[in-house]
Amino acid sequence: DVKVTQSSRYLVKRTGEKVFLECVQDMDHENMFWYRQDPGLGLRLIYFSYDVKMKEKGDIPEGYSVSREKKERFSLILESASTNQTSMYLCAGAPGLGTYEQYFGPGTRLTVT
Amino acid sequence: GQQLNQSPQSMFIQEGEDVSMNCTSSSIFNTWLWYKQDPGEGPVLLIALYKAGELTSNGRLTAQFGITRKDSFLNISASIPSDVGIYFCAGPLNTGKLIFGQGTTLQVKP
Repeated sequence: DVKVTQSSRYLVKRTGEKVFLECVQDMDHENMFWYRQDPGLGLRLIYFSYDVKMKEKGDIPEGYSVSREKKERFSLILESASTNQTSMYLCAGAPGLGTYEQYFGPGTRLTVT
Repeated sequence: GQQLNQSPQSMFIQEGEDVSMNCTSSSIFNTWLWYKQDPGEGPVLLIALYKAGELTSNGRLTAQFGITRKDSFLNISASIPSDVGIYFCAGPLNTGKLIFGQGTTLQVKP
């Protein structure tokens, strides 16, 4: 079975803090993705990566950055957390190479106070 | 931009009933994916469809890739309480990205 893990299920941070959300996949997937999910807004793509050290902006990259130093690990960084970044964050991995299935982690519920 | 429209937005049914939901697009897709998200969890891939007209089953779930390639359908037979959750359809845009529908929320009354 494909396994995508996220470092925390629940996280509470203060406004202005730097926040790191870690995602690890164990299936040697080429592609990795970060989404946020909010009620009424569905899943929105923040950033994605096709390869180590490569990154592409998604639909809502403002206020976020990412890092992919190793193939299995994709980190989402909130440089200075704000209350409007309170959300459910979902990481996904995908084999790439012409297939489109994405496999999600369990999610991190981030609250910024 | 492209959108996937899921219908219905929500359903409240009795245990044992069959469920039907669909997903439509103004654009053609070559792949349709169906996910289920349990409360507080990440989405889990249920079924992937690759060919127009294809009908694929996964236990009590059956999904179909519409002939026009602009729609897809998901049916759940004999629903049980653990079917509760949000069901999403998704289709590929390009370069590996997916577009998701807004989801159909299913509630099952025991």
